[in-house]
Amino acid sequence: TQLLEQSPQFLSIQEGENLTVYCNSSSVFSSLQWYRQEPGEGPVLLVTVVTGGEVKKLKRLTFQFGDARKDSSLHITAAQPGDTGLYLCAGATPSTSYGKLTFGQGTILTVHP
Amino acid sequence: NAGVTQTPKFQVLKTGQSMTLQCAQDMNHEYMSWYRQDPGMGLRLIHYSVGAGITDQGEVPNGYNVSRSTTEDFPLRLLSAAPSQTSVYFCASNSLAGAFYEQYFGPGTRLTVT
Repeated sequence: TQLLEQSPQFLSIQEGENLTVYCNSSSVFSSLQWYRQEPGEGPVLLVTVVTGGEVKKLKRLTFQFGDARKDSSLHITAAQPGDTGLYLCAGATPSTSYGKLTFGQGTILTVHP
Repeated sequence: NAGVTQTPKFQVLKTGQSMTLQCAQDMNHEYMSWYRQDPGMGLRLIHYSVGAGITDQGEVPNGYNVSRSTTEDFPLRLLSAAPSQTSVYFCASNSLAGAFYEQYFGPGTRLTVT
């Protein structure tokens, strides 16, 4: 069983602060996705990273895939209340079939005005 | 496109009752799946399907049945509800054409079993 460990589990910050969420595993992933989920809704895909060392930016969000493709991070610059939500990482391993992703347990982010 | 739709949004059952959670997608995706989400547990795969007539078990299949008679629909049946099945259930779909399995989720069904 491939496990994805996310940290921290909870994050409560003030508007304007920076933060980083980590997603770690002992397994190698062929691709890793980040989703954001708002209360009462389903997760929505933010980004997919596939190459070791890859960095992708989405406005104030920066996603990085580790060189060995075992870990990833999500960095938010100057957080805003609209960033509040549950952030989930999910990975597909080289042996993953048919889209069976492994999900981390999630990071609940609260950004206070 | 409506994407992935789920009904009902909320449901309360008594222990032992049965019910079916509905899921439909209009993106012609081959792959569909059901997850349950519990606090601190992330999303856990219940059952999945790679096409009409083909289903398989995920990580936590006990107490649930599925069938896939069409590409669009993938209902989840609870045979005899138990309090341990209190959870939020999400249906998801993705195309198998790409290599990255980027999933589209429905809005979820919040189920309480008393």
